[in-house]
Parts: sequence; C-alpha cells; structure tokens
Amino acid sequence: DVKVTQSSRYLVKRTGEKVFLECVQDMDHENMFWYRQDPGLGLRLIYFSYDVKMKEKGDIPEGYSVSREKKERFSLILESASTNQTSMYLCASTPAGSREKLFFGSGTQLSVL
Amino acid sequence: AQSVTQLDSQVPVFEEAPVELRCNYSSSVSVYLFWYVQYPNQGLQLLLKYLSGSTLVKGINGFEAEFNKSQTSFHLRKPSVHISDTAEYFCAVTTDPPNDMRFGAGTRLTVKP
Repeated sequence: DVKVTQSSRYLVKRTGEKVFLECVQDMDHENMFWYRQDPGLGLRLIYFSYDVKMKEKGDIPEGYSVSREKKERFSLILESASTNQTSMYLCASTPAGSREKLFFGSGTQLSVL
Repeated sequence: AQSVTQLDSQVPVFEEAPVELRCNYSSSVSVYLFWYVQYPNQGLQLLLKYLSGSTLVKGINGFEAEFNKSQTSFHLRKPSVHISDTAEYFCAVTTDPPNDMRFGAGTRLTVKP
C-alpha cells in the first residue's frame, strides 16, 4: 500500500514562528499536494508539485511556501505563523499523469496561538 | 483552474430514505470527477470516480453518481441510506496534467433514525 507520512499529528506554535510541515511518500509518486481543511470550506489547495524542485501555487498560497528537494519529500513552510493558519493540513500524492484518487497522509492539526 | 460547487452544506434525512447530494463543476477542459467521504475523525476515502465512458458510475456502499456534461453536474445518490452513512461528502475535480485536484466545501449528511 502507498504510504504518505506526515511528521506530526498535532502541532502547537506561537504567532510569528516559522513552521515546517513535512510529508514523505514511499511510492515514487511524481505529484505531491498540500491542502488545508477547515469546517465549511472543505479542502483548499495551497501548493502542489509535479517534479523535484518544481512547484505551483494553488488557490491559497499566501503566507506559505514549499520545498521539494527530493522526490519523496514535500515540505510546507509557514514563514511567520498567524492565528488564521490554525487548521488541519493534509498532504497527498499521485503518480504522474494519474487520473486516479489522491493518496492522503493522516494530517497535521496545527494550532497557532 | 477547475472548480466545484456543492450546493448543499447540510442534508438531514431519515433512515431508509433516498438522498441526493449535488455537485456542479466548472472547467474549460475535459474533467475527471470524484466523490470522497470522510467519516467522523477519519481520513478521506474514495467513494467513486468518473474518468470516461458510461455516465452512471457506481461506487462503494451502494452510492452512485451521474455525470451530466450539459449541466456540468455530478450528483451523488443513494436509494436508501443507513445511519452509518452519516459523514461529510466531498466532490472533487481534476484535469489532465498537472492533475491538481480541487475539492468542494463539503456536504454534511446526517441520517436520523
């Protein structure tokens, strides 16, 4: 089975801190995605990457950046965390050209105080 | 970019009644459509998908959906719901590369005894 691993299940940070959310997949997938899930808003795409060192903005990239130095790892960075970034963050992956489902990690619940 | 609109944020229904959860999409190119379900405190699970071919697709747990290109819709139906179908349902759309999947805001289905 495909495994997408997110480094932390729960994270509590202070306003202004730099936050790193890590995601690793073990199935050699080219495409990787970061979403945030909020009640009533569904899943919103923050950034995605279809190759190493490639990144594309999703619908809500403001306040975030990403890094993909290796194929299996896709990191989400909050440069200066704010309270409105408190959310559930979901990482996902798929093979290149796939029209199939996303493989999701278990999520990181981030609280910014 | 492609997008989806879920027309109902909440749908209450009695057990054994039929249900329809509505989804409309927007895209300038051909689309691939999905329905995911999220049970309380769990991750997203694929219910069904439309890639091509027959416009009526069947999924798990007795759900089905119909792709209607002229109405740009992909509504989810079940003829008789159970208490265990209580969950949040997400419609999602993607296109050919880069296969960035967009989700709707979700519909919370509550099945009452």
